[in-house]
Amino acid sequence: AQSVTQPDIHITVSEGASLELRCNYSYGATPYLFWYVQSPGQGLQLLLKYFSGDTLVQGIKGFEAEFKRSQSSFNLRKPSVHWSDAAEYFCAVGARGSSNTGKLIFGQGTTLQVKP
Amino acid sequence: EPEVTQTPSHQVTQMGQEVILRCVPISNHLYFYWYRQILGQKVEFLVSFYNNEISEKSEIFDDQFSVERPDGSNFTLKIRSTKLEDSAMYFCASTGGVTDTQYFGPGTRLTVL
Repeated sequence: AQSVTQPDIHITVSEGASLELRCNYSYGATPYLFWYVQSPGQGLQLLLKYFSGDTLVQGIKGFEAEFKRSQSSFNLRKPSVHWSDAAEYFCAVGARGSSNTGKLIFGQGTTLQVKP
Repeated sequence: EPEVTQTPSHQVTQMGQEVILRCVPISNHLYFYWYRQILGQKVEFLVSFYNNEISEKSEIFDDQFSVERPDGSNFTLKIRSTKLEDSAMYFCASTGGVTDTQYFGPGTRLTVL
């Protein structure tokens, strides 16, 4: 069965510092991989996604993520965090194959707090 | 930019009552989903819907739940007899293809008393 683990429930970084949010997945093959962000009272907004090809994926708001097959990881990074990045971040996987219905499996989420 | 909308934003109901949560997906999308998020927990898949039928459902989606696309624009989730444990944020999502980006609505917070 597919699963997603985000080991860090809560992370605090200083504004301007770099950020890495971890995501590990369990899946029999290479899944589709996503990072979503949720600001308070808002829905989920897609930051970036990996389907195939280049394992370093660029997203919106200056975020990037790297797919590492050997580590079953898809960590999210940003070189310099802004106060507006404070939010909850979700990693998700989607299945491949003819029976794929588009269902997404989400991780527990990581709450990012940004210190001034 | 097109967006998924959901109504109401907050619904309070008594245990045992029926509720209908409404969603208007993006107009040219073909695949529709409901997810829920119990406070402090992960977002969980409930059901996917394509071509006017359920294509996949989770164990959570039991006989108390149903979905419908009544008029070609709305997509509804009905809970027949609500339980306390149904209290959660319910998100609707839509996409043009199963491998395309899913766009999520802002959610409906359901509180069952």
